[in-house]
Amino acid sequence: DAKTTQPPSMDCAEGRAANLPCNHSTISGNEYVYWYRQIHSQGPQYIIHGLKNNETNEMASLIITEDRKSSTLILPHATLRDTAVYYCIVRSYSSGSARQLTFGSGTQLTVLP
Amino acid sequence: TAGITQAPTSQILAAGRSMTLRCTQDMRHNAMYWYRQDLGLGLRLIHYSNTAGTTGKGEVPDGYSVSRANTDDFPLTLASAVPSQTSVYFCASSDSGGRGYTFGSGTRLTVV
Repeated sequence: DAKTTQPPSMDCAEGRAANLPCNHSTISGNEYVYWYRQIHSQGPQYIIHGLKNNETNEMASLIITEDRKSSTLILPHATLRDTAVYYCIVRSYSSGSARQLTFGSGTQLTVLP
Repeated sequence: TAGITQAPTSQILAAGRSMTLRCTQDMRHNAMYWYRQDLGLGLRLIHYSNTAGTTGKGEVPDGYSVSRANTDDFPLTLASAVPSQTSVYFCASSDSGGRGYTFGSGTRLTVV
C-alpha cells in the first residue's frame, strides 16, 4: 500500500472549515484513499473514502486531486468534538479479499473555541 | 446497536500470566483484526482473520495468538505476558472487501 504524508498537527477555529491535507504521491490506480479519526482514548472511526471522484457524506468531504497524488479532508463547520487525530490511509480494495489498514502518525486537529 | 464488543475494558496483569482479550461483532463481517496502540503512537496490526477458520500475522505478532472458530468471535491470547505488552488493544472488523472498518472501544492492558 502507498505511503502517506500528513502534517503532525493543525488548529482550526470552531465553526470554521477544517482542511486536512494528505500526500500520497506513490498511489496506484486501484488504491483508495480512506480517512479515519481517533478521538482521545476511543477506537478509530471511519469518516469517508474515495477512489478518484470527490466524495461527500454527513461527516465530511473528500477532495482528491486529478493526478490522485494528494487529497484534502474537509470538515465544513468544525466543532470542539472534532478535536482528534485524523488518519489518511491508502490501500487497495479487492472484492472478496479483506486487507488490513496501515496507520501512520496522522494529524492532530485541535478545534479552538 | 450493532458493532464490536471488547472485554475487559481494562486489566492489570502480572508478568508471566496468560490472558485472553475477547472481541465479538454482530455485523456478520468476514474479516476481523487486532491492533495495539502504544502511548502517542499509531495503531499496529497484531493478527488478522479474513474469514472464519483462517488467521494471519500482522506487523507485531510475537507473543500473541488468535483463533477464529466462528464469524462473530476473534479472541486474542497472551500466553505469558511481558511488560512491553502494556498497551491499548483494539479489535476491528470489516466486510469482505474491507470497504469500511468498525473498531471496538479498546482494552487497556497493563502488565506489571
